[in-house]
Amino acid sequence: EVQLVESGGVVIQPGGSLRLSCVASGFTFDDYAMHWVRQAPGKGLEWVSLIGWTGSDTYYADSVKGRFTISRDNRRNSLYLQMNSLGPEDTAFYYCVRPSATYNEVFDYWGQGTLVTVSS
Amino acid sequence: DIQMTQSPSSLSASVGDRITITCRASQGIGNSLAWFQQKPGKAPKSLIYAASNLHSGVPSKFSGSGSGTDFTLTISSLQPEDFAIYYCQQYSRYPLTFGGGTKVEI
Repeated sequence: EVQLVESGGVVIQPGGSLRLSCVASGFTFDDYAMHWVRQAPGKGLEWVSLIGWTGSDTYYADSVKGRFTISRDNRRNSLYLQMNSLGPEDTAFYYCVRPSATYNEVFDYWGQGTLVTVSS
Repeated sequence: DIQMTQSPSSLSASVGDRITITCRASQGIGNSLAWFQQKPGKAPKSLIYAASNLHSGVPSKFSGSGSGTDFTLTISSLQPEDFAIYYCQQYSRYPLTFGGGTKVEI
């Protein structure tokens, strides 16, 4: 069974930094690209970032480019999102998403999400 | 960026009804269109990809159609577990973008 478990969400002050983690199980992690998607409370979905299976290819939404860094550790079956210079607009549930085996852009499995709240 | 517009933003329906949700892309995306279902307090669930292909385990009461800029999600015979928010998403170009959602209420 595919499982994606996010962690690291906390209440943090504006300007702060935070690293989210996602531990994957039930599939061969290094066969897949991985995404982060976020959702502000009561709002819609926003794609954040993609990392290729080797970790060398990364893509970001303009809203986070230069502030967030996606990475992965295939030995630990883990995906990360380093978030710097956080602002209230970054308050959201952050979901780890595994795409299909065939297309990196077809979302298949979602984690349960972890909540980041940026507030003073 | 490609803008995705869903309509309606909400709809009221009854158990047993057939409903259709529309999604329009601001430019042609071929069939690179997905649909997701989200229930309160839960993560989204993937329903459909490539405009009309059901993900594994998704019941056949869900169906999708369309290509280019106009797409639809149809749910035949609504059941209580189908009341949720539905989102479309284009994956033709980065950044991947979602529609604003359609809330299906009793």
